[in-house]
Amino acid sequence: DAGVIQSPRHEVTEMGQEVTLRCKPISGHDYLFWYRQTMMRGLELLIYFNNNVPIDDSGMPEDRFSAKMPNASFSTLKIQPSEPRDSAVYFCASSRPGLQETQYFGPGTRLLVL
Amino acid sequence: GQQVMQIPQYQHVQEGEDFTTYCNSSTTLSNIQWYKQRPGGHPVFLIQLVKSGEVKKQKRLTFQFGEAKKNSSLHITATQTTDVGTYFCAGALYNFNKFYFGSGTKLNVKP
Repeated sequence: DAGVIQSPRHEVTEMGQEVTLRCKPISGHDYLFWYRQTMMRGLELLIYFNNNVPIDDSGMPEDRFSAKMPNASFSTLKIQPSEPRDSAVYFCASSRPGLQETQYFGPGTRLLVL
Repeated sequence: GQQVMQIPQYQHVQEGEDFTTYCNSSTTLSNIQWYKQRPGGHPVFLIQLVKSGEVKKQKRLTFQFGEAKKNSSLHITATQTTDVGTYFCAGALYNFNKFYFGSGTKLNVKP
């Protein structure tokens, strides 16, 4: 099993640009989570999906952030327009059916907004 | 407000010393998970505790879940340099379909 796959692994962009982060969950996992990690705020849950449907997006910072899951094997997190304070490591995680199962994290995308 | 509090934030120990990190919640948890994140890496699942008063061991690691299911601890006996990283607890609340991660305890082990 390849595990959770995220791309890109690193992204450097300028303020105001659109950023799209991608995630492929583990096959058979029907929960998908997007997290953001910073030194100041730690690990924050942004949004999670169940069977491709967004269930809880209360952690999404503001309207500049949006997430989609068009099918069971792909999800995107988009930031438009990006700001320097969005610089962080963004993790995608997936878990098996049954919400309180183990979460398997991807390697993360390190985003730097200049 | 933050649902799950974790202390200490940092811990520096000499190799061979013990280490403990604590997690506390103001509300009863349905279960709690522990994760380890190596420097530059991603969180990796260690264990899940479900029952009140549960104790589980993984080699030198001992995990406990409080009787009231509001606190938990991770204890490492005789730390090694391979134990370096940040340890997170993640608590799930009843009737809430998500985990709340603690702020993590960053462990540094000096050889």
